[in-house]
Amino acid sequence: DGGITQSPKYLFRKEGQNVTLSCEQNLNHDAMYWYRQDPGQGLRLIYYSQIVNDFQKGDIAEGYSVSREKKESFPLTVTSAQKNPTAFYLCASSPLQTLHTYNEQFFGPGTRLTVL
Amino acid sequence: GENVEQHPSTLSVQEGDSAVIKCTYSDSASNYFPWYKQELGKRPQLIIDIRSNVGEKKDQRIAVTLNKTAKHFSLHITETQPEDSAVYFCASYSNYQLIWGAGTKLIIKP
Repeated sequence: DGGITQSPKYLFRKEGQNVTLSCEQNLNHDAMYWYRQDPGQGLRLIYYSQIVNDFQKGDIAEGYSVSREKKESFPLTVTSAQKNPTAFYLCASSPLQTLHTYNEQFFGPGTRLTVL
Repeated sequence: GENVEQHPSTLSVQEGDSAVIKCTYSDSASNYFPWYKQELGKRPQLIIDIRSNVGEKKDQRIAVTLNKTAKHFSLHITETQPEDSAVYFCASYSNYQLIWGAGTKLIIKP
């Protein structure tokens, strides 16, 4: 399965609660990413990190937070400030990207978050 | 920023026929264009890709073409089979990010 895991597979939370999604990889990849996928839409980048203790906002970072304290781990917190958090969340990792060279991103199995 | 448009949103073809999905991009600096296949509830899987210095690439029944001047690229699947049914996404690599198309649901009719 590519050595990248996400847990849990399904997550239910009440509106107004923060929730943290786990992402772990044992591929020794430097870069990690969080995407959100809504029905009938492509993947949208929330946050990415190319190195430990550093991360950048993607297109839809509002209402989300991340940390990168270890190379293997990149947890995503969905805060109460996220207006429509119900979605499928995908984590990915890759070797370090450069401006002109793309290295394939490998995806985890995803977490389906439902806010009641 | 980069924008990727993908058409059609749904494509239904008879088993054995060919399928073509088209994408356009806006950033002329984009230099890498992957195609992903996603089955229902599963993770996206890379099926083929093309770099900006290449016009066409084939891998068995699938091929991708790139027209840099027109800023569009296409996925071609020949001799379609039931297991080709899935959602296909194109993407463009620009400024350290993959920008994704909205996806095409491919339906293979028996």
